[in-house]
Amino acid sequence: DIQMTQSPSSLSASVGDRVTITCRASQGISNYLAWYQQKPGKVPKLLIYAAFTLQSGVPSRFSGSGSGTDFTLTISSLQPEDVATYFCQTYNSALFTFGPGTKVDIK
Amino acid sequence: QLQLQESGPGLVKPSETLSLTCTVSGGSISSGSYFWGWIRQPPGKGLEWIGNIFYSGSTYYNPSLKSRVTITVDTSKNQFSLKLSAVTAADTAVYYCARPEMVRGIIIKWGQGTLVTVSS
Repeated sequence: DIQMTQSPSSLSASVGDRVTITCRASQGISNYLAWYQQKPGKVPKLLIYAAFTLQSGVPSRFSGSGSGTDFTLTISSLQPEDVATYFCQTYNSALFTFGPGTKVDIK
Repeated sequence: QLQLQESGPGLVKPSETLSLTCTVSGGSISSGSYFWGWIRQPPGKGLEWIGNIFYSGSTYYNPSLKSRVTITVDTSKNQFSLKLSAVTAADTAVYYCARPEMVRGIIIKWGQGTLVTVSS
């Protein structure tokens, strides 16, 4: 089974800051890596898939990178509406695995 | 516009079987490009994939839950269902039904989620 880890588990940053979240897979997953944003009480929203492809309608301040086992989600300029928990997710042999999440707050 | 809606009891007793149904509207569950799946989220915690089913009936389960999970599909009703047996308080969660994409391995369409509490 593939295990996913994320770091940090939470962070607090100022509006306008550059924020980076890391996701690591226990084995190589090529570029089968997606990022989701979940605001409190809401359904998860797909931000990025295939490691770096921005989902339609997602602001360009979000970007993804990485391949193999190590991936990052970057918010280039944190906005108040970005307060949420971010999850990575992979797909291998028809099985899905989510990372534990990173909670992002405004300082 | 495709929509998914979960339904089922919000309270289940320990050791019993949790049963939920997802009704798909605005599209056919027999589409060949998608799975139909269940994901859960305990209060204040992360997302856990439970399993997927293809319209033909092929199933794929989270290894950690496989012994207790059954997902079935009813194409005539455009519905799919989840059964989770021998539940404990640890199974208390918001349960989402969703439509994972087979090729890209991503989830764009989700139901709104339903809270199931395990308690006597």
